[in-house]
Amino acid sequence: SQTIHQWPATLVQPVGSPLSLECTVEGTSNPNLYWYRQAAGRGLQLLFYSVGIGQISSEVPQNLSASRPQDRQFILSSKKLLLSDSGFYLCAWSVLMNTGELFFGEGSRLTVL
Amino acid sequence: KNEVEQSPQNLTAQEGEFITINCSYSVGISALHWLQQHPGGGIVSLFMLSSGKKKHGRLIATINIQEKHSSLHITASHPRDSAVYICAVRNSGNTPLVFGKGTRLSVIA
Repeated sequence: SQTIHQWPATLVQPVGSPLSLECTVEGTSNPNLYWYRQAAGRGLQLLFYSVGIGQISSEVPQNLSASRPQDRQFILSSKKLLLSDSGFYLCAWSVLMNTGELFFGEGSRLTVL
Repeated sequence: KNEVEQSPQNLTAQEGEFITINCSYSVGISALHWLQQHPGGGIVSLFMLSSGKKKHGRLIATINIQEKHSSLHITASHPRDSAVYICAVRNSGNTPLVFGKGTRLSVIA
């Protein structure tokens, strides 16, 4: 069966520090991968999606970036965090791009102080 | 861009009550998803539907394409149903999901 792992679960970082959130999927090949952010009181916002290794599409301009160094690995990064980057970040995967069911990781709660 | 509205925002129910959560959207869609977000944050997909009705255990999801409206019903609610329920829609074509803000449900024993 397919599983998705995301870490760290909780992160407290100072403003201006770097960020790296990692997500891996097991049990499937060539998944479509997504990074979402959920700010307090708001709906999930798609940040990045990837249809293959090295292929990243950005939905929202920001100081975050994403990379996909391996087929089942998706990384969310920032060189310098802002206070506004605080939120709950979720990685997800699907079999088909933009169709079908989405499977989510457990999420990473980031607090920038 | 599709606008997704959920109601109510918050809902408190007594154990055993029948619960309805509503979702309306502004533009025609290819599919609608209902998701459940647990208190810890993890999200589970409950239903994906494009017409009619689906049932899984005590959960029932319906969609009316003409009225651009969907409902999620929970029969015989239980405290373990307490969670945030999120509606998300996919526009026709190869576009990402658009999410509602969620409905926070608390079921009291």
